[in-house]
Amino acid sequence: EAQVTQNPRYLITVTGKKLTVTCSQNMNHEYMSWYRQDPGLGLRQIYYSMNVEVTDKGDVPEGYKVSRKEKRNFPLILESPSPNQTSLYFCASSGGRGVIYEQYFGPGTRLTVT
Amino acid sequence: AQKITQTQPGMFVQEKEAVTLDCTYDTSDQSYGLFWYKQPSSGEMIFLIYQGSYDEQNATEGRYSLNFQKARKSANLVISASQLGDSAMYFCAMRGGNTGNQFYFGTGTSLTVIP
Repeated sequence: EAQVTQNPRYLITVTGKKLTVTCSQNMNHEYMSWYRQDPGLGLRQIYYSMNVEVTDKGDVPEGYKVSRKEKRNFPLILESPSPNQTSLYFCASSGGRGVIYEQYFGPGTRLTVT
Repeated sequence: AQKITQTQPGMFVQEKEAVTLDCTYDTSDQSYGLFWYKQPSSGEMIFLIYQGSYDEQNATEGRYSLNFQKARKSANLVISASQLGDSAMYFCAMRGGNTGNQFYFGTGTSLTVIP
């Protein structure tokens, strides 16, 4: 089954404790992206990647890191999480070459930082 | 600066009626894409419809159509014959930016279909 998977689905952590949210897709997509969703703000793009070893900042990259060492994986790293990073995080992928059309979203990861 | 505006926080529609969800966008890009996504209460994001900036015809996908008015920079979603399962949050989004592949989302419209 074609899908985007994220782990963990739920995470409660404390301020400053490094964490990684994994994202994997099995559709051989070039484009992958991370978003955060907050009430009243919609989705905001954190980082995106057009292909292996190619990443770009979205609208809200501060406090986050990403890497794209393999085509299928695009982990989101929070080196020192803070409470303002409490949010619902979505990973997405798309197979468009050069121009991105439909994005397939993962199920979301709900992160709480205390 | 790129921006998507959805001015309707909440909408109600009678079952089997049509409803229009508004979306306006701001961009100086010549080439861009416009999208609508549905987010049911279960939380997943579901792609509905896409319109390219150079497409002359309005996009349609089943009961969904996108009313694209380029000069007015609007990309309204029309849902015909509303069903109870259409109750959800709807997000308008635009692809653009410096690389042409950055995404910008609106704040969403919550649609409730009344039986």
